[in-house]
Amino acid sequence: ETGVTQSPTHLIKTRGQQVTLRCSSQSGHNTVSWYQQALGQGPQFIFQYYREEENGRGNFPPRFSGLQFPNYSSELNVNALELDDSALYLCASSWGLGGYTFGSGTRLTVV
Amino acid sequence: KQEVTQIPAALSVPEGENLVLNCSFTDSAIYNLQWFRQDPGKGLTSLLLIQSSQREQTSGRLNASLDKSSGRSTLYIAASQPGDSATYLCAVKGEEDYKLSFGAGTTVTVRA
Repeated sequence: ETGVTQSPTHLIKTRGQQVTLRCSSQSGHNTVSWYQQALGQGPQFIFQYYREEENGRGNFPPRFSGLQFPNYSSELNVNALELDDSALYLCASSWGLGGYTFGSGTRLTVV
Repeated sequence: KQEVTQIPAALSVPEGENLVLNCSFTDSAIYNLQWFRQDPGKGLTSLLLIQSSQREQTSGRLNASLDKSSGRSTLYIAASQPGDSATYLCAVKGEEDYKLSFGAGTTVTVRA
């Protein structure tokens, strides 16, 4: 059983640029969600995808967008990067009302 | 809006001591509660999942209890070891929304 895989592990971008983060969900899991974790805080929900449709969104602006593919993998896109977007981005997959499996995260630094 | 609070924010204990970590949530309408471990700069590792109909879950030295009506969960770690040093996060999945709501975590240091 494969876990959740995220790429890249680290990324440095300049303010105003765009970034795409990728996630492969755990085998058998059809739901993918993304979280942003600032230093010293708990993860904050960005959005969730189920069967390629966004079915929930947290308090994040539209410049945060995503996709889920037929194989349940997912992308998180962030446009017009701001310094405050620097954080650990976590992808999680789940199935039904079961628990969530998280990836190792992508550390994004915006300079 | 679900609010999740973890107390204490940090804890330092000598090796061998039992750990008690607390989590409280404001909305008792939850599907489940999950405890995670996070090492510095790393992702989250699931420790225990408790469904709303359950009172506790156990795995090895770990035991988590859930009192849904009072909005509380406690994670017990028996006979702590230096390898238990990490941040522990609790998260609840609400009945009405699609997300996990997290606490800020308890950072544990076990001194050898």
